[in-house]
Amino acid sequence: TQLLEQSPQFLSIQEGENLTVYCNSSSVFSSLQWYRQEPGEGPVLLVTVVTGGEVKKLKRLTFQFGDARKDSSLHITAAQPGDTGLYLCRGSSNTGKLIFGQGTTLQVKP
Amino acid sequence: ETGVTQTPRHLVMGMTNKKSLKCEQHLGHNAMYWYKQSAKKPLELMFVYSLEERVENNSVPSRFSPECPNSSHLFLHLHTLQPEDSALYLCASSQVYGNTQYFGPGTRLTVL
Repeated sequence: TQLLEQSPQFLSIQEGENLTVYCNSSSVFSSLQWYRQEPGEGPVLLVTVVTGGEVKKLKRLTFQFGDARKDSSLHITAAQPGDTGLYLCRGSSNTGKLIFGQGTTLQVKP
Repeated sequence: ETGVTQTPRHLVMGMTNKKSLKCEQHLGHNAMYWYKQSAKKPLELMFVYSLEERVENNSVPSRFSPECPNSSHLFLHLHTLQPEDSALYLCASSQVYGNTQYFGPGTRLTVL
């Protein structure tokens, strides 16, 4: 069974701090996506990475796909209260299976 | 209205009740999904429909019964649920199976 393990599961930081969230697996994924879910809403796509070693930036968010396409990271610079939410990674296996990690809950305090 | 909508947003039901969750997508997508989201657990994929045919059923108990009458609508019929079925039920759609998923806001279900 393919699994995506996210760490940490919960993170509480002060506004202005930097943080990194990890998404790891022992399996290779053809692509990986990051979603953010705010309370009372469904997850919303942030980014898709498909190439090993790929780095994408979305304002203060930097996403990286591991060279072997088994892991990914999300780095947030100078976090703001609006970044608060549940961050989910989703992998697409080579057989087409869609797998979500258990999520990282981020709380950014003003 | 655009995007993916779900009704009701909140539902409280007894273990002997029958209820249905509704999902509607206005994106012209061909694939629709039901997920169960419980605290501290990964999103659990329950059912997938592609072009109105069920293509995935991940060992979901028979007390959950999906229905996809057309590519825009998806239902989840609930019958004789258990308290451990209490969770947020999310509907999603994508252009084709596996592509970027667009989620509805979810139905918060509580089984008493």
